[in-house]
Amino acid sequence: QVHLVQSGAEVTKPGASMKISCKTSGYTFTSHYLHWVRQAPGQGLEWMGLINPSGGSTSYAQKFQGRVTVTRDMSTSTVYLELTSLRSEDTAVYFCAKTMSYAYAFDLDYWGQGTLVTVSS
Amino acid sequence: QSVLTQPPSVSAAPGQRVTISCTGNSSNIGAGYAVHWYQQLPGTAPKLLIYTNNNRPSGVPDRFFGSRSDTSASLVISGLQAEDEADYYCQSHDRSLTSVVFGGGTKLTVL
Repeated sequence: QVHLVQSGAEVTKPGASMKISCKTSGYTFTSHYLHWVRQAPGQGLEWMGLINPSGGSTSYAQKFQGRVTVTRDMSTSTVYLELTSLRSEDTAVYFCAKTMSYAYAFDLDYWGQGTLVTVSS
Repeated sequence: QSVLTQPPSVSAAPGQRVTISCTGNSSNIGAGYAVHWYQQLPGTAPKLLIYTNNNRPSGVPDRFFGSRSDTSASLVISGLQAEDEADYYCQSHDRSLTSVVFGGGTKLTVL
């Protein structure tokens, strides 16, 4: 049974950083890319980036370049999303999701439950 | 502003058919990248509904059908049911942005 379990909700201040986690289980961690997608309140889905857990290579949306880092811990099959210089517009639910296909793909078949991050002074 | 354009909302009565369009350009759908569709019920994570243009994951009813043509794609839902009321998103890759992209989403209302 595939599971992606994300860390709990966070409240943080403008200018600070956040780091949330996504612990995976039930499949071969290194065989499927992991993506991060966020959704601001009442808004649509926004792709942030991905990691190839096998080699650790990453790709990020241009909008977040310089502020976002995705990493993985192979010993715990966990992926992390770090976002710096937070502003109120970063308030959103952040989802991790794995690809169904092998190699580079974006067909996201299993999703975490989402982590609400609130940026407020 | 999403590079993939979807109608903000569509509606139809139970039992009817509805089509949700996803319009891209030569940098994404027109470049041959796969199109996937997701269904998101209120307060839940998105669910993969259609992958690689017109394939259904196990468990998705055949009432859901995906297609693509040139620079656009469509999701057709036939035999509408109340449980289909949700937000639907198309997704592809854009080579100019070198990024995965989502459409803006379409809210389906079952009247």
